[in-house]
Amino acid sequence: SQQGEEDPQALSIQEGENATMNCSYKTSINNLQWYRQNSGRGLVHLILIRSNEREKHSGRLRVTLDTSKKSSSLLITASRAADTASYFCATDYNNNDMRFGAGTRLTVKP
Amino acid sequence: DAMVIQNPRYQVTQFGKPVTLSCSQTLNHNVMYWYQQKSSQAPKLLFHYYDKDFNNEADTPDNFQSRRPNTSFCFLDIRSPGLGDTAMYLCATSRVQLGTGELFFGEGSRLTVL
Repeated sequence: SQQGEEDPQALSIQEGENATMNCSYKTSINNLQWYRQNSGRGLVHLILIRSNEREKHSGRLRVTLDTSKKSSSLLITASRAADTASYFCATDYNNNDMRFGAGTRLTVKP
Repeated sequence: DAMVIQNPRYQVTQFGKPVTLSCSQTLNHNVMYWYQQKSSQAPKLLFHYYDKDFNNEADTPDNFQSRRPNTSFCFLDIRSPGLGDTAMYLCATSRVQLGTGELFFGEGSRLTVL
């Protein structure tokens, strides 16, 4: 079973705009990770945020974590057409289980 | 250089004909995962190995088995594939120290059951 839910399921924006995706999860976690997947490919790790962290940045990515609400958000600033992909959050559910949320399909129009 | 390699990339099989998918890694990671991903869905964890310890998800069908003969290799065996097993199968590795770290994925094996 999946650990969490993501919203929106799909997001379509223009190049240069910001994209925000949200992830909610059900149980306590050690860390939360975000991944990107281009169509038909494997997943690529973007960023990891630990349960004692509230915000983390990596290039154009900003991730927040609210453990009291069991939620996280991924912000991509100044989006590019090449950012078009599906984005998944994942949490270490139990004993090294890594479970993924339903994902957000992002389309960035040039 | 690819660090997690899956073979074959594409496999077509007949209903009920056993299939084996392989995964190898050059990262010397202690954890290896198998995920099933159906079209437009999230990856679903089937099982994982922590070193030699096998951890099966409760809802993984008995039809799915796995072997890890050594640190570098892991296999997914589907004993009698059904039409519903058509999916992308993803292998991932991780080094677990203080909690689960980053997962490194292979490019996946796309299985079609006819």
